[in-house]
Amino acid sequence: DVKVTQSSRYLVKRTGEKVFLECVQDMDHENMFWYRQDPGLGLRLIYFSYDVKMKEKGDIPEGYSVSREKKERFSLILESASTNQTSMYLCASSLGSSSYNEQFFGPGTRLTVL
Amino acid sequence: GENVEQHPSTLSVQEGDSAVIKCTYSDSASNYFPWYKQELGKRPQLIIDIRSNVGEKKDQRIAVTLNKTAKHFSLHITETQPEDSAVYFCAASLYSGTYKYIFGTGTRLKVLA
Repeated sequence: DVKVTQSSRYLVKRTGEKVFLECVQDMDHENMFWYRQDPGLGLRLIYFSYDVKMKEKGDIPEGYSVSREKKERFSLILESASTNQTSMYLCASSLGSSSYNEQFFGPGTRLTVL
Repeated sequence: GENVEQHPSTLSVQEGDSAVIKCTYSDSASNYFPWYKQELGKRPQLIIDIRSNVGEKKDQRIAVTLNKTAKHFSLHITETQPEDSAVYFCAASLYSGTYKYIFGTGTRLKVLA
């Protein structure tokens, strides 16, 4: 069974703080993704990575950065958290470079920025 | 840019009735269309998918159809049950270094007992 875990289910931070969200997968997947989920807006891709130290911008990268130092771990960083980054953050992973590979999601981190 | 439109945003049906959710994609290079179900408080999970060389795929009470010419694909759930209540997301794959998904905005399905 593929397992994608995220470091926190709930997180409360203050405006201006640096925030780290961690995602770990245990199935040796090459691809990892960070999404944010907001009501009525669906799942929007923030950043993704298809190899260690590689990263690609998704549709809404502004205000975020990522780090992938090891294959199994993909971190999302909010350099200076703002209230409009209050959201549910979902990590996902998938195998290889085929179009048909399923993305497996983590349980999500609900981040509140005060 | 790439876009997936999904309708309706909410759908209420009586138990036993059918439900249909429709999506339209913009990039003709998309060749894979998964559907995810997200129950309340849980992670999205793949329930069915379809490749661009197939027009229809069925798995028990759920089916997906694809019209490549019109860039439309739909999810059909028959004989709905209360446990079908969830948010459903369609997606289309696109290549950018690897294959990523563009998701629709989701449909909240309520099955009324």
